Amino acid sequence: QVQLQESGPGLVKPSQTLSLTCTVSGGSIRSSSYYWSWIRQPAGKGLEWIGRIYASGSTIYNPSLKSRVTISVDTSKNHFSLKLSSVTAADTAVYFCARYNDILTGLSSWGQGTLVTVSS
Amino acid sequence: QSVLTQPPSASGTPGQRVTISCSGDTSNIGSNTISWYQQLPGTAPKLLIYDNNQRPSGVPDRFSGSKSGTSASLAISGLQSEDEADYYCAAWDDSLNGWVFGGGTKLTVL
Repeated sequence: QVQLQESGPGLVKPSQTLSLTCTVSGGSIRSSSYYWSWIRQPAGKGLEWIGRIYASGSTIYNPSLKSRVTISVDTSKNHFSLKLSSVTAADTAVYFCARYNDILTGLSSWGQGTLVTVSS
Repeated sequence: QSVLTQPPSASGTPGQRVTISCSGDTSNIGSNTISWYQQLPGTAPKLLIYDNNQRPSGVPDRFSGSKSGTSASLAISGLQSEDEADYYCAAWDDSLNGWVFGGGTKLTVL
């Protein structure tokens, strides 16, 4: 059973870059047919998809965040990462990593989530 | 403002059947399949339904999904107290080229 675990600083200052890593265990990130995503959820609000990466490095980003987002993958460490630049208080949220096999099969595995607060 | 529209709340008594709706448009629900997620307080969302009406292994058959045109619904029969959670619908959006979600429905078991 694959497991995903987010890690990174819980506090980021305004205008700085938020950096998170999602470590995959119980399976290889190189595994064919899986897409690895980041999703966030502000407190008391709904889910927002940030973007996804394939093991090859191919990425797609949410157009609303595209200018500030970079998702990368390190297959040797079996993890993928999120960088969100020029953060503001509006970026305060719980950040989840997740994977999906196909848009038919939905987001089948999720990390537990990590809270990132943007504050000086 | 979420791309998919869900009612903010729903409720029912134990044993009852409740349904939660999800409305979209031709670029998302109208073109692609829908999935549903259950989020218990303080936890990550869990896949409940995929491909409109398929249940992952371990999800009770009390949960069922359907889709028609640009709308979908989640039905929960034999409501139990443990079903009290937030429920989200999601679909791939061909215009945005990404996943879009509903705003979530908070289900209360009275």
